[in-house]
Amino acid sequence: EAQVTQNPRYLITVTGKKLTVTCSQNMNHEYMSWYRQDPGLGLRQIYYSMNVEVTDKGDVPEGYKVSRKEKRNFPLILESPSPNQTSLYFCASSGSGRKQFFGPGTRLTVL
Amino acid sequence: SQELEQSPQSLIVQEGKNLTINCTSSKTLYGLYWYKQKYGEGLIFLMMLQKGGEEKSHEKITAKLDEKKQQSSLHITASQPSHAGIYLCGADNIGSNYQLIWGAGTKLIIKP
Repeated sequence: EAQVTQNPRYLITVTGKKLTVTCSQNMNHEYMSWYRQDPGLGLRQIYYSMNVEVTDKGDVPEGYKVSRKEKRNFPLILESPSPNQTSLYFCASSGSGRKQFFGPGTRLTVL
Repeated sequence: SQELEQSPQSLIVQEGKNLTINCTSSKTLYGLYWYKQKYGEGLIFLMMLQKGGEEKSHEKITAKLDEKKQQSSLHITASQPSHAGIYLCGADNIGSNYQLIWGAGTKLIIKP
C-alpha cells in the first residue's frame, strides 16, 4: 500500500531533550516536506527536500533540522526542543505531480 | 506573494443540509487542491482542479474552480456526520516546482 509513515504518533518530552521524528515513504517520491499545524495558523512548511542530499528551508525552519540521506526517509530533528514547538507535525511526499501525500501526523508536546 | 483565504473559518450545519466552503486566491490559481482532515489526523486528498470553470465531484462533494481561476468552492450536499472535519485548500506555488501554499482551513461540524 502506498503510504507515508511517521513515528512516533505521539510524543511528550521536556525542554532541551533532543528528539527525532521519522518519516518514510514507499512511493519513490523525490519531493518530501515537513509541516507544522497550529490552531488558526494552518499548515506551515518547516523544511522540504527536492531529492537526496537536497534540502531547503520553508517558512518556519528555526529550531529544526532535517536530512535526506535516502530517497525514502526524511527525518525531522529537534536539537533542543522548546515549548513553542508543541504542535502537530506532518510529513508529506510528492512525485511527478504536485499532489501531496500526507503521513498520519505526530503530536508533539514539549514541557 | 500568493495567499489563500478560506471562508468561513468554521461552520456548524444540521445533518442533511447543504454547505459551501470557499477558497480565494490573491493571484491566478494554476493548481488547486482540496484536502480533508479528521481532527488530529492526517490529510486526505479529495480533488484537484486546474482549468478555469472545471468542476469535479466525488460522492456528495463537488469542487469548482471559477473561470478567472482565483476562487474555488467546495460544496457538500445532504451533509452527514462523516463529513465533519477540517477542509483545507492548497495551491501550486508558482515560484516553486513542488511547493504548495495553504489556506488556514475550515472547521466543519455536523449537528445530528
